[in-house]
Amino acid sequence: GAGVSQSPSNKVTEKGKDVELRCDPISGHTALYWYRQSLGQGLEFLIYFQGNSAPDKSGLPSDRFSAERTGGSVSTLTIQRTQQEDSAVYLCASSPRVAGAVKDTQYFGPGTRLTVL
Amino acid sequence: GDSVTQMEGPVTLSEEAFLTINCTYTATGYPSLFWYVQYPGEGLQLLLKATKADDKGSNKGFEATYRKETTSFHLEKGSVQVSDSAVYFCALRENTGFQKLVFGTGTRLLVSP
Repeated sequence: GAGVSQSPSNKVTEKGKDVELRCDPISGHTALYWYRQSLGQGLEFLIYFQGNSAPDKSGLPSDRFSAERTGGSVSTLTIQRTQQEDSAVYLCASSPRVAGAVKDTQYFGPGTRLTVL
Repeated sequence: GDSVTQMEGPVTLSEEAFLTINCTYTATGYPSLFWYVQYPGEGLQLLLKATKADDKGSNKGFEATYRKETTSFHLEKGSVQVSDSAVYFCALRENTGFQKLVFGTGTRLLVSP
């Protein structure tokens, strides 16, 4: 079956512009996570969705970052007024999160490489 | 907070050599532990996992044992292949709350023929 997909695969933008990154999770997966992979910082958690709500936004680095999820499926991560330090690979993961099951595997997409000039 | 520490790379080995990549963790609860692998140009893939103390995860010839007494989850393989060249990430996930993954910094493995 189809895995987690992300678009675009690469995005180059100028400092100060806004960008939107998209994640399509595996069909039926109710949990969705965004992570960021950057040089010097490794892989960092950004935000978690259960359905359309985001009970954990603790990893978002600033108020320039926001995310939403609609229909319990597609998620969009938006970065406003991008800065050079936002350059990284943004990874999305989904998991089944079956009620009562606490040991779900997270399946990762290929990532979006963002470069801010 | 929770954290994962893994050995820095790159680790350079010849084909058929023995591999160990060290991983230790700090967590307040009883986390599940994972090794993820990222092959060149590809996304993160789950390699193996262990969900409780003394569990051994294994896959594709790789093994790791959940050692609560030493808070470790070292990755081993008896005989590496060129195709094992990748970046390996150790991670933990608490079994309560929102279950986000906390990753180590990654270790690059380079295997030469």
